[in-house]
Order: sequence, then structure tokens, then C-alpha cells
Amino acid sequence: GAVVSQHPSRVICKSGTSVKIECRSLDFQATTMFWYRQFPKQSLMLMATSNEGSKATYEQGVEKDKFLINHASLTLSTLTVTSAHPEDSSFYICSARSGRGGTETQYFGPGTRLLVL
Amino acid sequence: AQSVAQPEDQVNVAEGNPLTVKCTYSVSGNPYLFWYVQYPNRGLQFLLKYITGDNLVKGSYGFEAEFNKSQTSFHLKKPSALVSDSALYFCAVRVPRGNTPLVFGKGTRLSVIA
Repeated sequence: GAVVSQHPSRVICKSGTSVKIECRSLDFQATTMFWYRQFPKQSLMLMATSNEGSKATYEQGVEKDKFLINHASLTLSTLTVTSAHPEDSSFYICSARSGRGGTETQYFGPGTRLLVL
Repeated sequence: AQSVAQPEDQVNVAEGNPLTVKCTYSVSGNPYLFWYVQYPNRGLQFLLKYITGDNLVKGSYGFEAEFNKSQTSFHLKKPSALVSDSALYFCAVRVPRGNTPLVFGKGTRLSVIA
């Protein structure tokens, strides 16, 4: 199946610093990419929808200035958590959608665990 | 609005027995339906999908699911469970309009006991 990579897989940072997470679709071009956040023992919470070359669409309650998304190409999207605080500690998962109609499938990265001290 | 319900937080089954993980959905229009599995500290792995066509879809690792439009259900099944199937399973739905995202159920933890 298609592969989506995320880097880094785990990051520990001090409060107030910024952290960038990369998401790449390795063997396909993604029509759309998504960023999710997952708290322990909970489902995935959609943060934003991202299309190459355009501004991301953020879900209600997600601060766009806090969580900067850049979708530089059809295979790369980045999420930057700016001025991170302990409450931003979470598991961040990106997803890339390929195909349309009957061929559509959405693939997920392995996740990035962020711990803010 | 789209929504997905996974009524069971936990499903326990003995190894070798058939397993079912339930999912019902609510959408306006024809849905795209997906099942994903998540192992600890990992992302989601795609299992199978229903887009159109045959209501019974077969996926990875011997899993299958049946789309039932009248009951608005998309239950995940496997004839013979393995201990290695123990994981968190998510059902997801999307209405195929534009870039609408997947909407996930809360997840069902499957525990297969040897």
C-alpha cells in the first residue's frame, strides 16, 4: 500500500520553543493532506485540511497562528507548533488522500509524539 | 452532518473464533466508508473501504466488512481471530463532496485471547 512518512517520530522540547513536523507521501501525489491530533485512548481530532499551494482550512477551535501549516508540494505538508506549551503535548498524525472516486483512499503517517516540558 | 457510531468500547474474543466490530453511520447522501486499525503508539493502517459496487468488501489481514444501506451499518468481520489482531479499530465515513474530511468513530478496542 501507499506510504506516508512523518518526521520526527518523537520530540521533546522546552516550553516556548517551536516544533516543525514533516509529512510526506512517499509514492503518490496527495490531492489533500490532513492533520489530526489524538489524546490518549481517544479518537482522532481533525485539526486542519491542507491543499497544495493554498491556505489550510482549520477546524473550529484550532488556532491557525498556533498551528502553522504549509503545504509546499503534492507530497509534503508541514505542521509547526509555535511557542509550544505543555498542553500542546499530544500525538500528531498526518494523513494524505490519493485518488478520486472509486480509487480514493486515505493513508496515515506513523504519528509524532510531542512532549513539551 | 456526518457521524459515526461504534457502540462498543471493547470487544473480547477467543482466538480462532469469529469476530465482529460494529459501526453505524449517519450521512446525507451516499457515503464512502473505511476501516482502520491502530497499534500502540502508531498511526492508522488502512484495512478496507467501501466506495461503490459489491456490498461485501474484503481487505487486509483477512478482514471484511459488509455495507448495509438499510441499516446504515458497516460492520467489520473476520472468520477466525488471531491474537495479533488485538488493537484499536476505527470506522470512518465521508460524504464525497470536495475536500470533506473523514469523520471517525470513537474506536473499539479488540482483545483476542489465546
